[in-house]
Amino acid sequence: AQSVAQPEDQVNVAEGNPLTVKCTYSVSGNPYLFWYVQYPNRGLQFLLKYITGDNLVKGSYGFEAEFNKSQTSFHLKKPSALVSDSALYFCAVRDGGQAGTALIFGKGTTLSVSS
Amino acid sequence: ETGVTQSPTHLIKTRGQQVTLRCSSQSGHNTVSWYQQALGQGPQFIFQYYREEENGRGNFPPRFSGLQFPNYSSELNVNALELDDSALYLCASSLGVGGYEQYFGPGTRLTVT
Repeated sequence: AQSVAQPEDQVNVAEGNPLTVKCTYSVSGNPYLFWYVQYPNRGLQFLLKYITGDNLVKGSYGFEAEFNKSQTSFHLKKPSALVSDSALYFCAVRDGGQAGTALIFGKGTTLSVSS
Repeated sequence: ETGVTQSPTHLIKTRGQQVTLRCSSQSGHNTVSWYQQALGQGPQFIFQYYREEENGRGNFPPRFSGLQFPNYSSELNVNALELDDSALYLCASSLGVGGYEQYFGPGTRLTVT
């Protein structure tokens, strides 16, 4: 069965500092991995994805994520946080080897960036 | 390019009633997925439609049903509403069923009283 774990309910960083939001996954086949951000009372916005290729993936708004197969992790990173990055972040995975499988989301991590 | 739209924005229903939620997919997208997001939780997959056929279903009872139309818009129908059905219902469209990212609409907030 597929699963995603986001071990931190909340991450607090100061503006200008680097940020990391953690995600680990479990799938039986090759993972397709995604990060989404959700602002209050809004739908989810796509940030980036890993399907294959380079382990470091760059996405929207200066975010990047590193795929680590041995640690089954896909942590979201940004070199310098902005107050406007404060939001709810979701990691998601699906099994690339199984057609019709669902996108499975973690429970989310709230990022709070202080000025 | 028009994004994913959903209607209505908010809805209040009584337990036992039926509800239909609607979604227009992004231009060029042939795949629509529906999710239920309870308060404080991540989205839970309900089902997916690809070219008008159901292409996968999550752990939801049969009273959750759907349709996809030739223009790739979609409906989610829920019969015999229960209090626990209160949630944000999200629709997402994508270019296909492979590794394509899904683009989400703003959601429909359903409250069952």
